[in-house]
Amino acid sequence: DQQVKQNSPSLSVQEGRISILNCDYTNSMFDYFLWYKKYPAEGPTFLISISSIKDKNEDGRFTVFLNKSAKHLSLHIVPSQPGDSAVYFCAASAGGNKLVFGAGTILRVKS
Amino acid sequence: EPEVTQTPSHQVTQMGQEVILRCVPISNHLYFYWYRQILGQKVEFLVSFYNNEISEKSEIFDDQFSVERPDGSNFTLKIRSTKLEDSAMYFCASSLTDEQYFGPGTRLTVT
Repeated sequence: DQQVKQNSPSLSVQEGRISILNCDYTNSMFDYFLWYKKYPAEGPTFLISISSIKDKNEDGRFTVFLNKSAKHLSLHIVPSQPGDSAVYFCAASAGGNKLVFGAGTILRVKS
Repeated sequence: EPEVTQTPSHQVTQMGQEVILRCVPISNHLYFYWYRQILGQKVEFLVSFYNNEISEKSEIFDDQFSVERPDGSNFTLKIRSTKLEDSAMYFCASSLTDEQYFGPGTRLTVT
């Protein structure tokens, strides 16, 4: 199932700089997109979401951008902090039921 | 802050045995889900539950699986006769709207 793809397995960023995590999707029926953060041995923690009727949503240091024509979304974290080091999952839903997850991107923020 | 809880955190069982994984969703949530993540693979949807019945299930959720909300607070996943390939992290999630909140997971090991 390749409906949601996160092509970068890992990303390394210096503390204080911007982290940009990318996600692509193929199913045009997806109308809601979410980002989750996951530490080892814990469940995914909800970070931020965006509806397909918007192109940007911001919450503190986290901003999600949606480009529907390109079927692409990105998560920006500014400024990055060492505590942001985790696995980040992109997920999508169509009609508000099951989530389809990407494979995740490991973010390492170096101090 | 309300959170989803799951018990046990780790369950070891022998092939062919029945297991019940337990979840307490966030109290005012109406939609309940089970997902699983096999080691090294994506988080994948199993089943969603609303108004005391299954609203959607994946191909993985065959006759060996069942879900129940036996009272006003618990949500359970039963695997009737476990197989080696059922070894995974099982996550419960709940939602009121589009954002799903996940529990810490139960690691199921089938030997």
